[in-house]
Amino acid sequence: AAGVIQSPRHLIKEKRETATLKCYPIPRHDTVYWYQQGPGQDPQFLISFYEKMQSDKGSIPDRFSAQQFSDYHSELNMSSLELGDSALYFCASSLPLAKNIQYFGAGTRLSVL
Amino acid sequence: AQSVAQPEDQVNVAEGNPLTVKCTYSVSGNPYLFWYVQYPNRGLQFLLKYITGDNLVKGSYGFEAEFNKSQTSFHLKKPSALVSDSALYFCAVSPFSGGYNKLIFGAGTRLAVHP
Repeated sequence: AAGVIQSPRHLIKEKRETATLKCYPIPRHDTVYWYQQGPGQDPQFLISFYEKMQSDKGSIPDRFSAQQFSDYHSELNMSSLELGDSALYFCASSLPLAKNIQYFGAGTRLSVL
Repeated sequence: AQSVAQPEDQVNVAEGNPLTVKCTYSVSGNPYLFWYVQYPNRGLQFLLKYITGDNLVKGSYGFEAEFNKSQTSFHLKKPSALVSDSALYFCAVSPFSGGYNKLIFGAGTRLAVHP
């Protein structure tokens, strides 16, 4: 069965650089979520989209932005990267409504040097 | 504030023995509760969920969880542990607010099953 696809799997950046993470949801899933998991931490919600509109916002820094495109894939754009941005970034997709299961991608591991 | 607590950083159990991973939650209204498992360098895999109905929920790989409203708990259980169950387990709550909601995760519990 098709799963959530994230790219790239690994990314190494320098401080103050920019990064773009991509997420391709499961077909027919119109809701996308982004989470950040720091080393030894639980995943923290960043932002979500439903039908290409932002549906909820969590602890996402102002340096980050995201959008969902017409084909439902989503991109997380990160600027002025800091050492503390080093983390595993997960994308999840679901059918709408809170009771539906969120299916997670394998994540993008971002290392900021 | 809405939160999830997993009081144990690590649970150790011998293969073949029953296991329990504890989770309590604090959220207003009726929550949607989930368990996910994370293997090293992998994404989160869905195990089971409680939405409404029977308090005992059965999920993947022989896992089950019991919803207890009075104790605000949603403990994960398995009658007979396997070494391959060793992983990081996250309890999560989706607090219903009429919209398309985030998951709030507990800190995670590392399960170690010994041969």
